[in-house]
Amino acid sequence: DVVMTQSPLSLPVTLGQPASISCRSSQSLVYSDGNTYLNWFQQRPGQSPRRLIYEVSNRDPGVPDRFSGSGSGTDFTLKISRVEAEDVGVYYCMQGTHWSYTFGQGTKLEIK
Amino acid sequence: QVQLVESGGGLVKPGGSLRLSCTASGFTFSDYYMSWIRQAPGKGLEWVSFISSSSSYTMYADSVKGRFTISRDSAKNSLDLQMNSLRADDTAVYYCVRGTRSIDRWGQGTLVTVSS
Repeated sequence: DVVMTQSPLSLPVTLGQPASISCRSSQSLVYSDGNTYLNWFQQRPGQSPRRLIYEVSNRDPGVPDRFSGSGSGTDFTLKISRVEAEDVGVYYCMQGTHWSYTFGQGTKLEIK
Repeated sequence: QVQLVESGGGLVKPGGSLRLSCTASGFTFSDYYMSWIRQAPGKGLEWVSFISSSSSYTMYADSVKGRFTISRDSAKNSLDLQMNSLRADDTAVYYCVRGTRSIDRWGQGTLVTVSS
């Protein structure tokens, strides 16, 4: 299976400050159709996950524009330009290129 | 709006069986691949299985292969997961999700506890 490695696993951030989460895959995530199936999900406490970003950098409708995704190949990043209180939760990257699709371990974002 | 509602979770003994169901609404169910993903208590997310829109193609994680069976009924807008030979490490919240390579909707989840 493709191993997805996130860092850091814990991310204390001051309100209004930026945050960045790295996600690295053990194989290239470029699929044969040319797309890169790397997604980012947010799971707030007590809730189901929701998708923020798909195919590396496409933000879902309703997701604030302070969230952005970037990267290519095996190296990807989720950035939050200015952290707000509602951003507290666990963030997961997920690859949908190679079956069995896999998630990163999760990064817990908390307010410092 | 899109809704996915799971049911069927509960407490079951090791070696037992359970059938989970997911009722979909708010979209054309027969147009989408559907999947099950699980999350053990306090842990991360793990893919379980997916099924194609026409039911012709299914895939399973190695951890459940031969024990779990995914199916769907487009007439009822429902997705099922038949779980047999359950083990303690199958204990998790099971989520019904829309899509595969890029999941765009999640249900609220149903808790399965395998314990004697």
